[in-house]
Parts: sequence; structure tokens; C-alpha cells
Amino acid sequence: SQKIEQNSEALNIQEGKTATLTCNYTNYSPAYLQWYRQDPGRGPVFLLLIRENEKEKRKERLKVTFDTTLKQSLFHITASQPADSATYLCAMAHNAGNMLTFGGGTRLMVKP
Amino acid sequence: NAGVTQTPKFRVLKTGQSMTLLCAQDMNHEYMYWYRQDPGMGLRLIHYSVGEGTTAKGEVPDGYNVSRLKKQNFLLGLESAAPSQTSVYFCASSHDRTGGTEAFFGQGTRLTVV
Repeated sequence: SQKIEQNSEALNIQEGKTATLTCNYTNYSPAYLQWYRQDPGRGPVFLLLIRENEKEKRKERLKVTFDTTLKQSLFHITASQPADSATYLCAMAHNAGNMLTFGGGTRLMVKP
Repeated sequence: NAGVTQTPKFRVLKTGQSMTLLCAQDMNHEYMYWYRQDPGMGLRLIHYSVGEGTTAKGEVPDGYNVSRLKKQNFLLGLESAAPSQTSVYFCASSHDRTGGTEAFFGQGTRLTVV
């Protein structure tokens, strides 16, 4: 069955460093991949969408890569700040007409 | 600038009781969704709607029913609550199917079934 895996262990980094979160998938060929941010007690908030023919996408301090050979997406936050501390979810769809399937999320803790 | 609003935010039910969760969106979106979120399992789609008067099953529909009588509202019903339905429920909406467009989520409803 198709699987989307994110590291369930929290990622702890120092303020100012680059945070890199990983999303791996198996038995799946997504055409679209999205990243969301979720704060405690709140709903997810959309960050970025990347298509299978786009290797990389950037938005301010955020960068997402999509490697269909490795079946992996990397989510980077450069110059991280304590305010970036949250859980980050990746989600995928076979195509634009399909619904998203979400990974379990990775919690990021940025320490001052 | 409300976006997606869920009611209630918290609820405790006894096994066998029924309840309805209300979701309202003010963005004129055609698509609406109900997800549940459990620790370590991510968001799982319960039911969704592609327009007023339509509903469809998602990944985990058993034990739930939905209705979309008005475009802006999407209701999730539990007819006979079970402890396995203890979860955080999120409603979402989108302009198009979520594969190629962003989804907007509500703040969630934390439901405990005892």
C-alpha cells in the first residue's frame, strides 16, 4: 500500500541554522506535493506546492525539493527562528484531481 | 476574514451518543472535507463534498455521515459515538480538488468519547 513517511522524532536545531525536514514515499507516484505548517491546537496552514516536473521551489526562507528518483521531498527553512517551531506536514496527490494524502508530520523545535 | 470555522471546539460524548460537527466557510469554495487526526497517523480523509448537495466517502468513512445542504456549510455526524472516534477533527475547503491547490483548514474540534 502507498505510504508517506516523515520522521516522527522531533528535530531540534539552533536559531540561525538551516532546518531540513524529510518526506519519503513508497508505492506511490505523486504528481503534486504540498507542505503545511501546524501549530499546537490549530489547523494546518498551507506553505508550498511543488509539481513533479519542478525540482525545487522557494518562498522567502523556505525551499522545497522534489526528487522522484529518490521518492523524497526535502523541506528547508534557512536562518531558522524560534517562531518557526511547529509541526510540518507533507501531503501528496497522484494528480490535481485527486485528494491529498498526508504524512504524520515532523515537529521542529528551534532553540534561541 | 473568518475563512473556515468549526463548531464546537471541544466536546465530550458518552459511548452511543450522537452529535453533529458544523463547518462553515466564507470563501465560496466548491470543495469541502472532513479529516480526523490521530497521533502518528497524520490526517485521514473521512468524507468530502465537491459541491452543494454532493458527498463522497474518503479513506475512513465508517461510523460517520455528512451533509452539504448549503454551499458554505458541511456537517459531520456521529450517530452512535464509539471510543475509537476519539480524535481531533478538521474541516477544510478548497477552490478545486486538493491535489493541485491549497486547502484551508479550520481550527479543529477535539472530541473525546468515554
